[in-house]
Amino acid sequence: SQQGEEDPQALSIQEGENATMNCSYKTSINNLQWYRQNSGRGLVHLILIRSNEREKHSGRLRVTLDTSKKSSSLLITASRAADTASYFCATDGKWTGANNLFFGTGTRLTVIP
Amino acid sequence: EAQVTQNPRYLITVTGKKLTVTCSQNMNHEYMSWYRQDPGLGLRQIYYSMNVEVTDKGDVPEGYKVSRKEKRNFPLILESPSPNQTSLYFCASSLQAGVAEQYFGPGTRLTVT
Repeated sequence: SQQGEEDPQALSIQEGENATMNCSYKTSINNLQWYRQNSGRGLVHLILIRSNEREKHSGRLRVTLDTSKKSSSLLITASRAADTASYFCATDGKWTGANNLFFGTGTRLTVIP
Repeated sequence: EAQVTQNPRYLITVTGKKLTVTCSQNMNHEYMSWYRQDPGLGLRQIYYSMNVEVTDKGDVPEGYKVSRKEKRNFPLILESPSPNQTSLYFCASSLQAGVAEQYFGPGTRLTVT
């Protein structure tokens, strides 16, 4: 399966601290995306990084991509209680024509006020 | 407002009783997809559609059917639901596959007894 895998499965931090989540995947990709899901609700797109990019920023989010290690990380700086959610990485399949998006199992982040 | 809508949001049914979950998007997106989300398994793609009348299997298509007669609608059909199809279902759409962010619907929680 091309499904990604997030690490850790769960993370609990104090408000104001930084949160780092990692994603590993198995096959070559064109793009990697990060999504956020509040409990039981639809996923919301956060950021997309292309395979030829190494780092991307969006507000308090910083994403890195290391294609040689087939891994990505999502850093949320100065976390807030409202950041409490599950975070998923999603990869397309470079050799499957990028028609499918494969999601990991997610990291559950809890930010304690 | 740009959105993906799903109906119903909650459904309890019995084994074998055919059901349809509707999905509609108002963003003129070409690509639409169905996922199911199960604890510990993350999101898995059921079917996707690249455009009207073009559909293809995802990772877990068994027991499901789809159709794409109009660009905006992508219903998911369970001809003979079974208890192992109890899950949280999400419809998503994007401008195109892979390189574009996906917009998710609010989810349909299905229980098959």
